[in-house]
Amino acid sequence: SQQGEEDPQALSIQEGENATMNCSYKTSINNLQWYRQNSGRGLVHLILIRSNEREKHSGRLRVTLDTSKKSSSLLITASRAADTASYFCATEGDFGNEKLTFGTGTRLTIIP
Amino acid sequence: NAGVTQTPKFQVLKTGQSMTLQCAQDMNHEYMSWYRQDPGMGLRLIHYSVGAGITDQGEVPNGYNVSRSTTEDFPLRLLSAAPSQTSVYFCASSYPRGGLLDSPLHFGNGTRLTVT
Repeated sequence: SQQGEEDPQALSIQEGENATMNCSYKTSINNLQWYRQNSGRGLVHLILIRSNEREKHSGRLRVTLDTSKKSSSLLITASRAADTASYFCATEGDFGNEKLTFGTGTRLTIIP
Repeated sequence: NAGVTQTPKFQVLKTGQSMTLQCAQDMNHEYMSWYRQDPGMGLRLIHYSVGAGITDQGEVPNGYNVSRSTTEDFPLRLLSAAPSQTSVYFCASSYPRGGLLDSPLHFGNGTRLTVT
């Protein structure tokens, strides 16, 4: 079963706008990670946020984590055409069995 | 550094045939894993390994075997291919810390498998 569920499933915005994607999960976690997948390629790691962190930044990316609501959001500011991709959240449970469980992804399209 | 290398890129099998998907990494990562990706399902974990000689099952292990005789290689074997195994398969590796994964996965570019 999927641990993470992304929302929305698909998102189209104009270049230059901000894009926000959300992820909800079901069980306690050690960390939550976001990945990007370009069409026909493997996933690329974007950012990792640990359960004791509430916000993290990396370049144009901002990730928040609310463990009380079991949710996270990924904000991409000043979007570019190259940001067109699918974005996945993934969670590692705090039960120490070293599995990373992925959600179903958000398909982001940036319109030039 | 080549990272994670998967071969072949594409494969067509007939029902009942067997084959091995290869995965190799040159980053000295202890942790390796196999996922399958199907439309609308995200990625689902098939098998994983926390080090040479150690393997464990993921969410969807049936119909697949793995072994880990070296740190570098983690092949995935399909014993008797079925149309339900048509999918894109990804191998990923990482360097775990403190008994947990707690670090990013590095992915290969996938093997697209079709079973007819």
